[in-house]
Amino acid sequence: QVQLQESGPGLVKPLETLSLTCAVSGYSISSGYYWGCVRQSPEKGLEWIGNMHHSGITHYNPSLRSRLTFSMDTSKNQLSLKLTSMTAADTAIYYCVADVGSGAYFDYWGQGILVTVSS
Amino acid sequence: EIVLTQSPGTLSLSPGERAILSCRASQSVTGNCFAWYQQKPGQAPRLLIHGASSRATGIPDRFSGSGSGTDFTLTINRLEPEDFAVYYCQQYSTSPFNFGPGTKVDI
Repeated sequence: QVQLQESGPGLVKPLETLSLTCAVSGYSISSGYYWGCVRQSPEKGLEWIGNMHHSGITHYNPSLRSRLTFSMDTSKNQLSLKLTSMTAADTAIYYCVADVGSGAYFDYWGQGILVTVSS
Repeated sequence: EIVLTQSPGTLSLSPGERAILSCRASQSVTGNCFAWYQQKPGQAPRLLIHGASSRATGIPDRFSGSGSGTDFTLTINRLEPEDFAVYYCQQYSTSPFNFGPGTKVDI
């Protein structure tokens, strides 16, 4: 059973960079699947952020592409996200997700982490 | 980008009744790349349906999905108490892979 666990700061200052880590258990990320993030806020609802395959293939939401970077550490079996120039509009619950069908729908979700952007 | 509109916003029903939830896309969703999720308060969404009509692993057969093109439907037969939740649709044929705003099914 795939399990995902988000970790990162609960509070980020405006214009700073969010660094979020998704730890994966129950499956080796180097074996396949796409791994990514979805966020949820009252203002925007559910929003797909992007995903990454261990081969290096990445897909980013065009609205976030200029600020977003995904990376993988297969030795730690985790995905990392960096989102730069954070604003209040980026305040949301960030979920790690796994796409096992290569179709960009999300079979597994982490519990989510609330990230608030505030000075 | 494809914008999804869900109706109704809220559906008030009783256990044992049938729920019919609709999702309309602003342009055609190709390849039936369409999914439905259920979310309960304080929890992450859970995948119910992918490929417009394929149930995800472990999802009871009272949940069924249908539709193609721009109009998709999630039907929940014989509502159980645990089915009262918010339901989201999602298209994954065209990036960005947007979600709908949700339909709340409550008692």
